[in-house]
Amino acid sequence: AQSVAQPEDQVNVAEGNPLTVKCTYSVSGNPYLFWYVQYPNRGLQFLLKYITGDNLVKGSYGFEAEFNKSQTSFHLKKPSALVSDSALYFCAVRDPSGGYQKVTFGIGTKLQVIP
Amino acid sequence: DAGVTQSPTHLIKTRGQQVTLRCSPKSGHDTVSWYQQALGQGPQFIFQYYEEEERQRGNFPDRFSGHQFPNYSSELNVNALLLGDSALYLCASSLRDSISYTEAFFGQGTRLTVV
Repeated sequence: AQSVAQPEDQVNVAEGNPLTVKCTYSVSGNPYLFWYVQYPNRGLQFLLKYITGDNLVKGSYGFEAEFNKSQTSFHLKKPSALVSDSALYFCAVRDPSGGYQKVTFGIGTKLQVIP
Repeated sequence: DAGVTQSPTHLIKTRGQQVTLRCSPKSGHDTVSWYQQALGQGPQFIFQYYEEEERQRGNFPDRFSGHQFPNYSSELNVNALLLGDSALYLCASSLRDSISYTEAFFGQGTRLTVV
């Protein structure tokens, strides 16, 4: 079974400061990992993914994430937060072994960027 | 290029009724997944359709059923609605067979309220 944990319900950060949103995962094989963002009453927007290769993945809107296999983590980061980054962020995992395409999401972390 | 479109955007149903939600995948995508997102929760996988067949199913009762049409569009049907079925229902499309894995694209969702 595959699972994702987002240990923080909410992260508060001052505008201009770096931000980190944490995610850990559990899969039986090599994971595919994703970050999505959701604004109020909207669907999910894709930010970035890790499939293979470089552990540091760069995505949309200046976000990046670091894959750490030994710690089974995939934390989302941004060097300088904007007020417009305030939203709900979801980490997701897919275990491609067996050919399954089911994606499992975490419960989400609310990011609040304070002006 | 149209993304994932869902209809309707909102609807209100009475307990015990039946509902059908619709989804048109992103152009070029052949796989449709449905998710239920309750208030304050992450999306929960309901099922996935590929080649007009249900390929994977999450922990949802048989009241939840679906269909995929030859043009890859999909329907989600829920029978005997319960108050607890009130949620945002998200459709995600992806490409099953590709050299490099493509992330899922989400629609804006259908907000179902059961009264």
